[in-house]
Amino acid sequence: GAVVSQHPSRVICKSGTSVKIECRSLDFQATTMFWYRQFPKQSLMLMATSNEGSKATYEQGVEKDKFLINHASLTLSTLTVTSAHPEDSSFYICSASPLAGQTDTQYFGPGTRLTVL
Amino acid sequence: KQEVTQIPAALSVPEGENLVLNCSFTDSAIYNLQWFRQDPGKGLTSLLLIQSSQREQTSGRLNASLDKSSGRSTLYIAASQPGDSATYLCAVVGYKLSFGAGTTVTVRA
Repeated sequence: GAVVSQHPSRVICKSGTSVKIECRSLDFQATTMFWYRQFPKQSLMLMATSNEGSKATYEQGVEKDKFLINHASLTLSTLTVTSAHPEDSSFYICSASPLAGQTDTQYFGPGTRLTVL
Repeated sequence: KQEVTQIPAALSVPEGENLVLNCSFTDSAIYNLQWFRQDPGKGLTSLLLIQSSQREQTSGRLNASLDKSSGRSTLYIAASQPGDSATYLCAVVGYKLSFGAGTTVTVRA
């Protein structure tokens, strides 16, 4: 149980285009979803937290207009990287929690490798 | 701001040797601490969760200790196997998960 999927697993795009990454909870309802970014050999950095039907809460330093997060249903959240640039290349991981505000009960997706040329 | 440090950054051992991975954190006001495993290019698998009131937690060959007052946790992996090769991340749970950069373990057959 508690499976989270991400799609796509890898994406390569040209600079200036937008990319959408999906995060789905397959066998539970995710009240809260989290989006992380990971650079090589560095720790995961929380980008934003979203609750179903509400606007996402972004961490300090994360551009909300660049990283659009939508959590339209209890099983799906999307992250759209708008006008992507090479510095946006990274590994993006989502996680989902069935409990509102419960940070220690997170089930992680397999991640999406974004490469911007 | 919570800072989480993991030492060493990388570790290579022969099969059968015990592994000791260290995690330190700066703010002792935590809810709990988690250890995760991450295989290359993959997501995270939760290994152990230690509540702030606990001193240790065990699962099979894995044992994690927590000393909140000194801001330290240690993950012990007994009798390592090549399948244990991965990056191990610790994360401190406050209002959010604060991750260390991980220790990359290689177990040589």
